[in-house]
Amino acid sequence: GQQVMQIPQYQHVQEGEDFTTYCNSSTTLSNIQWYKQRPGGHPVFLIQLVKSGEVKKQKRLTFQFGEAKKNSSLHITATQTTDVGTYFCFISNFGNEKLTFGTGTRLTIIP
Amino acid sequence: KAGVTQTPRYLIKTRGQQVTLSCSPISGHRSVSWYQQTPGQGLQFLFEYFSETQRNKGNFPGRFSGRQFSNSRSEMNVSTLELGDSALYLCASSLGQTSSGNTIYFGEGSWLTVV
Repeated sequence: GQQVMQIPQYQHVQEGEDFTTYCNSSTTLSNIQWYKQRPGGHPVFLIQLVKSGEVKKQKRLTFQFGEAKKNSSLHITATQTTDVGTYFCFISNFGNEKLTFGTGTRLTIIP
Repeated sequence: KAGVTQTPRYLIKTRGQQVTLSCSPISGHRSVSWYQQTPGQGLQFLFEYFSETQRNKGNFPGRFSGRQFSNSRSEMNVSTLELGDSALYLCASSLGQTSSGNTIYFGEGSWLTVV
């Protein structure tokens, strides 16, 4: 069936290094959202991307939506300990499936 | 503005029992969706309600059910509990229908342990 793959599953980086997570779909998406879940917390909305090739920035975070609207990425520049958590992509309308989360990328920071 | 409120936060049930979880959405939000989060399966969609009607349903057995009231508050029920139902159950609300691309706001979740 249709899947939303997110890679990598885990990422350990030294504080100050960059981090990127990718979300890949087998079909074209209408939009994609990104959420962050801190350890022990609940997912919190980060951004929504709608347009082909769209790039949005939030301070050290850069979000991209692929030209074919089948993939997306989240890049964090110069990670800080506050970036620790699991990052999920979220598809609200995905072919015949609805409301699908990616598998998530857990980011840990080595101080 | 109060956020999404879920009750209870923690509960322990025995196999075969049933459980009801409650969710109060952000004021003005009409859509409520429910998710199950486990270490092995990640975040999985259970169902979505909008204006008291179930709009979408995930791939869960019929033991999982829900409803939404006229004030947008929602409940989910799991009958005949199994050990594998142990999970964090998250409720989220959005202004419009979640499956139309509206941003969702999560509650703190209800931790269910089945023994």
